[in-house]
Order: sequence, then structure tokens, then C-alpha cells
Amino acid sequence: KNQVEQSPQSLIILEGKNCTLQCNYTVSPFSNLRWYKQDTGRGPVSLTIMTFSENTKSNGRYTATLDADTKQSSLHITASQLSDSASYICVVSWNSGGYQKVTFGIGTKLQVIP
Amino acid sequence: DAGVIQSPRHEVTEMGQEVTLRCKPISGHDYLFWYRQTMMRGLELLIYFNNNVPIDDSGMPEDRFSAKMPNASFSTLKIQPSEPRDSAVYFCASSRAAIADTQYFGPGTRLTVL
Repeated sequence: KNQVEQSPQSLIILEGKNCTLQCNYTVSPFSNLRWYKQDTGRGPVSLTIMTFSENTKSNGRYTATLDADTKQSSLHITASQLSDSASYICVVSWNSGGYQKVTFGIGTKLQVIP
Repeated sequence: DAGVIQSPRHEVTEMGQEVTLRCKPISGHDYLFWYRQTMMRGLELLIYFNNNVPIDDSGMPEDRFSAKMPNASFSTLKIQPSEPRDSAVYFCASSRAAIADTQYFGPGTRLTVL
């Protein structure tokens, strides 16, 4: 079964600290992996996207890594800010019967406190 | 660009009533997606369209749900009859090229079925 699992479910960190969120998937055949940020009460916004051949991608203080062999990805947030408080969702795209499909993780809820 | 527009933002209805959610995608985007988000299951893809044609509706939970896209700038998701378990946030998203492309989400419609 094609699944995407994220950990931890929730995380509280102090402003200025770094943190790493994890995403493991069983999806196959893999197409790409994307991290979204979702602020409370709003729709998700794309942060990074990686294909099979990419193992790292940065977007400002956000750095995503991908290990396609172990089917693991991480999102590292450097020098966290209060505005980083949000849910972070891992999304994996895969191919099935000529169609592309997507499977979403349930997300990690991050709270950055002063 | 105004982004993806959804209406209404909030909907409260009684069990058995018909509910219609509306979406206007970003102009020029060929793909339109409908999602449902709950705390327990996260984001689930219900259906998506390419050039107004439904491509994959395997995520539609049951016959009570239907979606249409009569033209490139408008789509509806209808639930008839509604049930309390349909309570969720429904998102519409659009993308330029494919399901694996960057999707731009609307603000969502929070549906409560009493």
C-alpha cells in the first residue's frame, strides 16, 4: 500500500533553534516528493520539490533532503522564527496505470515559542 | 493574480441538506483539484480535472459526492444528502501542468453538518 508517514506528529521548539521533520514513504514507482507549509486556517503552500535524482533542496531557511534508496526525506528548519509555526506536510507523487497520483502525509504540527 | 478563490468560506447545514462548494482556479492553470482535510485523515484528494475533464475520481467517498467543471474558470463540489461525517475543510487547488506540479491552494471551505 502506498503510504506516507511523518514524524513527529507535533513539536514545540524555542525561537532561534533548529529542528528536523521526518517523512518516510512506501510509494512506488516514485515520481517526486514535495514539502508543504500550512498555516492555521489557510491552504498549504509549496516549500520544496525533489525528484528521484535530487538529494537536497533549499528554500531560504528550509532545507529538504531525500534518500530515494531508503525512501526517507527530512525537512530541516534553521534558526526558527515564530512565523514558522504551522503544519508541515510531506507529499509523494507516484505513477499508477498511466496516471500520476499523490499521497499526503498527515503532517507535523510545529509550534515555535518565544 | 487573485489566487484560487473558494466560496463560501464557512458553511453550516443540517444533515440531509444539499451542499454546493465553489471554486475559481488561477487563470491559465489546466488542472483543478478538490481535497478534503480532517484531523484524523489529513488531506485526501477527492477528484481532479484536466482541461475541464475529470481524470481521477477514485477519491470521491461515495455517490453522495459529485463534482463538475463546466468551464476553465469554475468548478463545483456537491454533497447530496450531507451527513455529519462530511464535516471537514474542503480545499480546491490548481496547477499549470500536472498533478505533480506545484499546486496552489485556495483558502478552503469549512463545512459543518449538524
